Amino acid sequence: DGGITQSPKYLFRKEGQNVTLSCEQNLNHDAMYWYRQDPGQGLRLIYYSQIVNDFQKGDIAEGYSVSREKKESFPLTVTSAQKNPTAFYLCASSPLGVSNYGYTFGSGTRLTVV
Amino acid sequence: DQQVKQNSPSLSVQEGRISILNCDYTNSMFDYFLWYKKYPAEGPTFLISISSIKDKNEDGRFTVFLNKSAKHLSLHIVPSQPGDSAVYFCAAARTTSGTYKYIFGTGTRLKVLA
Repeated sequence: DGGITQSPKYLFRKEGQNVTLSCEQNLNHDAMYWYRQDPGQGLRLIYYSQIVNDFQKGDIAEGYSVSREKKESFPLTVTSAQKNPTAFYLCASSPLGVSNYGYTFGSGTRLTVV
Repeated sequence: DQQVKQNSPSLSVQEGRISILNCDYTNSMFDYFLWYKKYPAEGPTFLISISSIKDKNEDGRFTVFLNKSAKHLSLHIVPSQPGDSAVYFCAAARTTSGTYKYIFGTGTRLKVLA
């Protein structure tokens, strides 16, 4: 079955640590995205990539970094510079061009700072 | 600047009645709109879409209406069922710009009462 897999589902981070969230897709989609969901704030775009080895900042990129070395993979690193990292993180993918179905989302990773 | 707004954070409806979820947008260049449904601790799943060349799209119990002059779209669910209880996000994009991204609203939490 084609889909998009995020791991881990739950992640705990100590203050000052970097953590990396995994996102893998086997849909052959060119574009991949990272969103953050906070209560009452909807989905906010962190980073996106439309081609391997290229990515763009979204609306709230500060304190985050990404890489896109393979088409299938788009890991997100939450660095110690991110002041309020506790949130639900969603990865998504889509083909380039118009898709009637928009994005396909993963099941998310809940990150908690302890 | 919130380009896509869902002004009702929550809505409660009796089972069997109609649920109406609303979404407003400010960018008149948006030409494609989506609704997603999201359960807690899961990723959003695509529900229904509409192009700006239409004013209505129907899929089973779900109908989306688009009023371009008012920059308003709505999702009607008839009849509402307890399993429809979830957070609903609307999203909009300007697909004619080549590379594009969807802008998401803040979500409306629907509770269908049995």
